[in-house]
Amino acid sequence: GAGVSQSPSNKVTEKGKDVELRCDPISGHTALYWYRQSLGQGLEFLIYFQGNSAPDKSGLPSDRFSAERTGGSVSTLTIQRTQQEDSAVYLCASSLPRNEQFFGPGTRLTVL
Amino acid sequence: AQSVTQLGSHVSVSEGALVLLRCNYSSSVPPYLFWYVQYPNQGLQLLLKYTTGATLVKGINGFEAEFKKSETSFHLTKPSAHMSDAAEYFCAVSRGNRDDKIIFGKGTRLHILP
Repeated sequence: GAGVSQSPSNKVTEKGKDVELRCDPISGHTALYWYRQSLGQGLEFLIYFQGNSAPDKSGLPSDRFSAERTGGSVSTLTIQRTQQEDSAVYLCASSLPRNEQFFGPGTRLTVL
Repeated sequence: AQSVTQLGSHVSVSEGALVLLRCNYSSSVPPYLFWYVQYPNQGLQLLLKYTTGATLVKGINGFEAEFKKSETSFHLTKPSAHMSDAAEYFCAVSRGNRDDKIIFGKGTRLHILP
């Protein structure tokens, strides 16, 4: 497809379980971002990948959160031992350097 | 480090009235500036962007923004609000260097009054 895709679109999990969220960026986009958007809140930056540079992890809220980007393309955001406060929409975006971001549709995570 | 401030988390205007959403940024180098819109239950999409050149930038749906370096502002305007403009609007800034990430403001929710 031409746009950013994310999977799953919805994820319901139990407190304490681990979850993996996937992002497929637009082909050729070297920059990839993860954000979290809680109900009625703005965008919370989580992590930023740019080419082969070390990722900017300054937004990760705790060590339960981690992300990787394999081969400069697909990215996976992992949340270990999920908590109820992790419930949110997780958004992925990709871009060319210095250009506007293209956002995926998001993954809605619900932790029971 | 760059940052973005959006004044007013909620703004209400009457249908047909001027829309003005304020955005101020801080950046030590010439910035790239963006406005994104998120309609209810939809994803974010780009409204307009400023990189270099003309300081008045026109975007989709009749919106425009003006880069004012002296005021470090990039306010979003639309002459006449329409009910369909009700959405959340995000201002964002990048320093324009290759590896710099884009920083988003906290967003302004625009309400249109009939």
